[in-house]
Amino acid sequence: DSGVTQTPKHLITATGQRVTLRCSPRSGDLSVYWYQQSLDQGLQFLIQYYNGEERAKGNILERFSAQQFPDLHSELNLSSLELGDSALYFCASSANPGQGEVGYTFGSGTRLTVV
Amino acid sequence: SQQGEEDPQALSIQEGENATMNCSYKTSINNLQWYRQNSGRGLVHLILIRSNEREKHSGRLRVTLDTSKKSSSLLITASRAADTASYFCATDAWGGKLIFGQGTELSVKP
Repeated sequence: DSGVTQTPKHLITATGQRVTLRCSPRSGDLSVYWYQQSLDQGLQFLIQYYNGEERAKGNILERFSAQQFPDLHSELNLSSLELGDSALYFCASSANPGQGEVGYTFGSGTRLTVV
Repeated sequence: SQQGEEDPQALSIQEGENATMNCSYKTSINNLQWYRQNSGRGLVHLILIRSNEREKHSGRLRVTLDTSKKSSSLLITASRAADTASYFCATDAWGGKLIFGQGTELSVKP
């Protein structure tokens, strides 16, 4: 157990639907990052939050949005889902961006299948 | 888009042999990290090397970094079947936004 908790582990939904992925960071970590891993695009950075505020955006589609709540958990909302959104979605956390020798702690991911 | 390129894409060796994976990247970095992923599961951080470091060791892992060539290598010595996994390099340019390579799939046969 890495300390980063992602739910659900698996999600199957139909095209056009909306889903919410949840992430609880490791205790004490203020930064949360979302990544998407797909066969064709590999691991792509989506978005970062630090202590409740958006810090950086990557290749995140307009149909996707995220937020970090006061208790530091984060949710990634995916709407108008398409077949191509099927992927493994990872959350990672760190105490502060870019600090420390320990890298980033990743959760076990949510596997989203859009049918 | 991916910044890093890794080679080889796949590597198959026998237990006890050494495994070397290479990573190249395109822009300036703050640090470079290596992660392991077992069959579609979560990523596990292995080692981090800062841009002002040239070599780092951790157990059976040895990482080198050549910023002039924008390249890094990961050496796993005396490999074990349990080392079978995908290995990714990731560059951190400013603190948090990791740019991953495509990964090397390592298979260690008993």
